[in-house]
Order: sequence, then structure tokens, then C-alpha cells
Amino acid sequence: QSALTQPRSVSGSPGQSVTISCTGTSSDVGGYNFVSWYQRHPGKAPQLVIYDVSERPSGVPDRFSGSKSGNTASLTISGLQAGDEADYYCCSYAGNYNFVVFGGGTRLTVL
Amino acid sequence: QITLKESGPTLVKPTQTLTLTCTFSGFSLDASGMAVGWIRQPPGKALEWLALIYWDGDNRYSPSLRSRLTITKDTPKNQVVLTMTNMDPVDTATYYCARRGTYHGSSGYFFEYWGQGTLVTVSS
Repeated sequence: QSALTQPRSVSGSPGQSVTISCTGTSSDVGGYNFVSWYQRHPGKAPQLVIYDVSERPSGVPDRFSGSKSGNTASLTISGLQAGDEADYYCCSYAGNYNFVVFGGGTRLTVL
Repeated sequence: QITLKESGPTLVKPTQTLTLTCTFSGFSLDASGMAVGWIRQPPGKALEWLALIYWDGDNRYSPSLRSRLTITKDTPKNQVVLTMTNMDPVDTATYYCARRGTYHGSSGYFFEYWGQGTLVTVSS
């Protein structure tokens, strides 16, 4: 069982928006503004799409956005495209002793 | 250009010790704030952070695997090595090395660059 809880799957049609939630505790998600999100296509290495809750690395489209409320972080992908179909993992700092913990992953299907 | 590449055995037997090497280029692990970590993903399962080593030699381990892991660095060779003792079939996974993020003003508690991963199978 992963430290952070994500829905196993979400889906949306091209052009729509989807939101993926990531629920932790006050010891990780809720305690720090250090949530990151990774996109992983099959057979590929994970790619960072959001860091520090809502910051986008250069090269990541502004269709990807992140937010946090309490112990739950969210990744929203707007204007869905076929290429967005992938697994998405959230990750949070969990204190100096632990460094980071990952979520269980969410499979995004673009219908 | 920043690259990382994992290398090591593809098959290990139960109870053996696994040694994986991450060879990187495009940055120096001598630079203040730099860090390289290991993350794994069993087939069909989630990512799991394993260990991290900082530029100054400080390190962090996953609490659940701490007793089995050792992470070291060889700065002149641009390498980070992870050893995991007492391997078990449940340790079968793709093992990734990744570099900590260093965006200006960022926390650094994320991984910005990843290797392609190496699949390690534990079986007799």
C-alpha cells in the first residue's frame, strides 16, 4: 500500500479537463508545499510535470496545473490530448528522515 | 545535456546482494545542493523511493528498507552506487536513478532528471 492515495483510473474525452487527486496526511502532503507530479508513458522513464504543488518545469504545457488543499493535492489537465494518456504519480516530501513518498499512480485514459 | 544511466545485473538469486550503478553526465555531484536518488517500480505497481545521497555525502533511506540499503558516490567517476542485500522475488522491479531538482527558488524535493531504468529480476 502506497503512502499517498490516488484513484486507480480517470478518463476524459479530448478537449475536456480531468483532475487527479492525491491524499496524504499532515506529515507529508498537508505539512509541506512540496508536492510533485510525474507522467509516465509505458516503457518510458517518469517525467516531471509539476513541482512544489503548482510550479511547472520549462517545456511542460500550461494545460497542466497543480493545487493543494489540506492533505489533498490535485493535478488538473485541461484540453486533454491523446498524448496525455499515461500513468500519473504524485509525490510529497515527508520530512527529513523520509525524504519523499509516492502515490499509487493513476491511469489516465483519453477516450 | 544531463543524462543518467543505470547498470547492473538483470537477474539475481534470492538472498544475494544487488549492486546497481548510476553513471551520469552534464552535472557534478560536487555542486552544493546536488543529490541523486534511486526509485524502483515493481511490475504493475507504484513507484517507491529507495535512497538519496547529497553532494556532501549525507544520505537518506526509505525507512522500510533502511537495513538493506547502502548508497555511495564516486564523484570523480560521476557515479552513484546502490547496494541492496538479501534480495527477494518481491524486489523484482525496474530500478531508476534520478537527479534532484534544482530550479531556482525551488524546494528540491523532487526529481527533475531520470534514467531509463533497469529491470532486475529476482529468481532462483
